[in-house]
Amino acid sequence: DIQLTQSPSFLSASVGDRVTITCRASQGISSYLAWYQQKPGRAPTLLIYAASKLQGGVPSRFSGSGSGTQFTLTITGLQPEDFGTYSCQQVYGYPRTFGQGTKVDIK
Amino acid sequence: EVQLVQSGPEVKKPGESLRISCQGAAYYFSTHWIGWVRQMPGKGLEWMGMIYASDSSIEYNPSFQGQVTISADTSISTAYLHWSGLRASDTATYFCARVNAYGVFDYWGQGTPVTASS
Repeated sequence: DIQLTQSPSFLSASVGDRVTITCRASQGISSYLAWYQQKPGRAPTLLIYAASKLQGGVPSRFSGSGSGTQFTLTITGLQPEDFGTYSCQQVYGYPRTFGQGTKVDIK
Repeated sequence: EVQLVQSGPEVKKPGESLRISCQGAAYYFSTHWIGWVRQMPGKGLEWMGMIYASDSSIEYNPSFQGQVTISADTSISTAYLHWSGLRASDTATYFCARVNAYGVFDYWGQGTPVTASS
């Protein structure tokens, strides 16, 4: 299985901050990576697919980059509604796998 | 608007069978894969498997194969997740989600909480 390791596991940031979350794959996955946001008690929502493509309706402050084994999700200008857990997922090989999640707290 | 509507919360005893459902609306159900994701209490997301309803092709995560059965009924645009004998460790929330052309989950159901306890 392809392992995805996210860092950090938790971060606390202030409104307006630039936040970066990293996802590292155990082997190369080209650009076959997605990012999801999940709020407590809710289903995840898709933010980014194909490593850098913004899903429709997602604010432009979210961006993704990377390829191969190293990927980043960046939130430029953190907003109060951006709290939650962010997870990466690889869709390069089977079984599909998720990172362990990064919990984002608003200071 | 695309919707995936899941069946309601379940409370069962270990050893009992269970089937939960996921009904798609406002899109061609047969032309998309539907996946299932487990989330145990306070934990991350786990990919269980997915089904292509039009020909019943299924990809299972080996970690779940033999523990659950994924199926679908295209006539009612519904996918299912079935256990023949629940374990306490199956206590979790289960999400279904539609797979888009890029292979990622673009629409999600609301989740079905399952509790298996004696």
